[in-house]
Amino acid sequence: DTGVSQNPRHKITKRGQNVTFRCDPISEHNRLYWYRQTLGQGPEFLTYFQNEAQLEKSRLLSDRFSAERPKGSFSTLEIQRTEQGDSAMYLCASSPDALPYEQYFGPGTRLTVT
Amino acid sequence: GENVEQHPSTLSVQEGDSAVIKCTYSDSASNYFPWYKQELGKRPQLIIDIRSNVGEKKDQRIAVTLNKTAKHFSLHITETQPEDSAVYFCAAPSVTGKLIFGQGTTLQVKP
Repeated sequence: DTGVSQNPRHKITKRGQNVTFRCDPISEHNRLYWYRQTLGQGPEFLTYFQNEAQLEKSRLLSDRFSAERPKGSFSTLEIQRTEQGDSAMYLCASSPDALPYEQYFGPGTRLTVT
Repeated sequence: GENVEQHPSTLSVQEGDSAVIKCTYSDSASNYFPWYKQELGKRPQLIIDIRSNVGEKKDQRIAVTLNKTAKHFSLHITETQPEDSAVYFCAAPSVTGKLIFGQGTTLQVKP
């Protein structure tokens, strides 16, 4: 499969626990984006990387959220001390440098905080 | 600020009819406008896009038009089929590369 992949697909956690999600972009894509989508809404930007450099973070990204892309390949998104308001679909997308806006999405990780 | 408005929020058409979804954007520097289709429980899929140097682009039954002066762009689906039923999102890029999405349009095609 040459598309964007994400793991896990579903995560149920109790409030206060930490969770980590992984995204594997399309192999030749240098840019990687994280978005969050809640029911009935469009994806909202969280952060993005060009290679291993994190170039922008949304104001939505509180200090409980951290993202990494240590070798410029896969990325992880960690949420510490989860809250019920964190329940959402977390989507990863990737794009090549030459076409930065042509973003292809992964299947997402659906997080439910109980 | 960066903003994308999308209308209508829901659209119901009879199979075979046309459907039109409209979006307006605020950043006049935007030069690329994608449309995504999202079926229930699935990822957003890029179905068509248009760049600012053209006014219209077609791909089989779908087309997108762009009016840079008015800062709006539209998705047109002709001869709709039940499998076109989904949520459609427009988007526009910010100068930093992220996409700003519209609120989505739920299209229902009745057989």
